[in-house]
Amino acid sequence: GAGVSQSPRYKVAKRGQDVALRCDPISGHVSLFWYQQALGQGPEFLTYFQNEAQLDKSGLPSDRFFAERPEGSVSTLKIQRTQQEDSAVYLCASNPGTGNQPQHFGDGTRLSIL
Amino acid sequence: QKEVEQNSGPLSVPEGAIASLNCTYSDRVSQSFFWYRQYSGKSPELIMSIYSNGDKEDGRFTAQLNKASQYVSLLIRDSQPSDSATYLCAVNPRETGANNLFFGTGTRLTVIP
Repeated sequence: GAGVSQSPRYKVAKRGQDVALRCDPISGHVSLFWYQQALGQGPEFLTYFQNEAQLDKSGLPSDRFFAERPEGSVSTLKIQRTQQEDSAVYLCASNPGTGNQPQHFGDGTRLSIL
Repeated sequence: QKEVEQNSGPLSVPEGAIASLNCTYSDRVSQSFFWYRQYSGKSPELIMSIYSNGDKEDGRFTAQLNKASQYVSLLIRDSQPSDSATYLCAVNPRETGANNLFFGTGTRLTVIP
């Protein structure tokens, strides 16, 4: 596909369950970002990959959040022992390289924790 | 103080008018600035990017950057009902390294037919 693809689009989980969110960036894009967007707010940075290397994870809110990109393309964001405050839209974005090029976003995964 | 501040709105303008969206940022070394449009339930869509002081025009959209005042704006001329959305200002505050973006909370624009 031409754009950033995320799955699932919607995820409902019970508090305490683990969830995994997938991002397939634009082909050839070196940089991949995860953001969390709460209702009525702008996206907030979670973590950044350059190829397979996770260069910045300063935005991850707790050690329950874990992200990986083992082959430098598809990335997975995992949330363990989910809490209600984890309910949000999780956005993935990519851009071609390491410069200040614009980021292109996927449609996001809307996560609801019951 | 948040890194990026926007007027939360909502902002309503009549069809055909100019909509003016404003954004200020706190980090003086910020290098790149972006405006994204986000329809309800959809992902942010890039509208404009601007890197140097002055104006940048693309169709009905004009971005204005003033680094001395730490201010960036977006003008939408001949506003259309389809422009009704939330507009997000995003700033990359770093000169090098990770280029994650800092977003404002967004300004909700409604264009009234």
